[in-house]
Amino acid sequence: ILNVEQSPQSLHVQEGDSTNFTCSFPSSNFYALHWYRWETAKSPEALFVMTLNGDEKKKGRISATLNTKEGYSYLYIKGSQPEDSATYLCAQKGFQKLVFGTGTRLLVSP
Amino acid sequence: DGGITQSPKYLFRKEGQNVTLSCEQNLNHDAMYWYRQDPGQGLRLIYYSQIVNDFQKGDIAEGYSVSREKKESFPLTVTSAQKNPTAFYLCASSVDPRLVTDTQYFGPGTRLTVL
Repeated sequence: ILNVEQSPQSLHVQEGDSTNFTCSFPSSNFYALHWYRWETAKSPEALFVMTLNGDEKKKGRISATLNTKEGYSYLYIKGSQPEDSATYLCAQKGFQKLVFGTGTRLLVSP
Repeated sequence: DGGITQSPKYLFRKEGQNVTLSCEQNLNHDAMYWYRQDPGQGLRLIYYSQIVNDFQKGDIAEGYSVSREKKESFPLTVTSAQKNPTAFYLCASSVDPRLVTDTQYFGPGTRLTVL
């Protein structure tokens, strides 16, 4: 049974701060790690899909790294903006399905 | 516009009544999914379907039923056997769940409250 954990549960930063949060997952039988962003009143949207140890992905000010040997992924946001406020979900790919963590809720104040 | 629609956005039902949540997609995706979200918990998989006329139980299928008669539609019925039905329900679709990079696309969700 896959158990995906995210920390911290919530985070409150000021505009311009850089921040990061963690997704931990079982390192055995790893297939892929997905990151989603879920803004309030909207649908979750895919950010990254990562498959290889050492993978780094970037989209604008958001980037992610992957360590499959130790079972973690970091999501970084450089120079946070209020529009980055959302819940960030990670999910590990299991057999034909995704197993989601509980998410990190980010609030960026102007 | 291509996407996933769920209706209604809010749904209220009396305890003991069955209720069906709608999910429609026009992305031409083969696979569809139903998740449930409760406060402080991640998205939990209720049922998924890889292809028309086929579906599998997820992690919390008890008290729920689904059908997949059309590629575009995957309705979820919350039966009276579901002990704690009040929750936020999300529907998703994807191209092929056998692919490790298969990305899921989500609908806007339905918040069900059982009184």
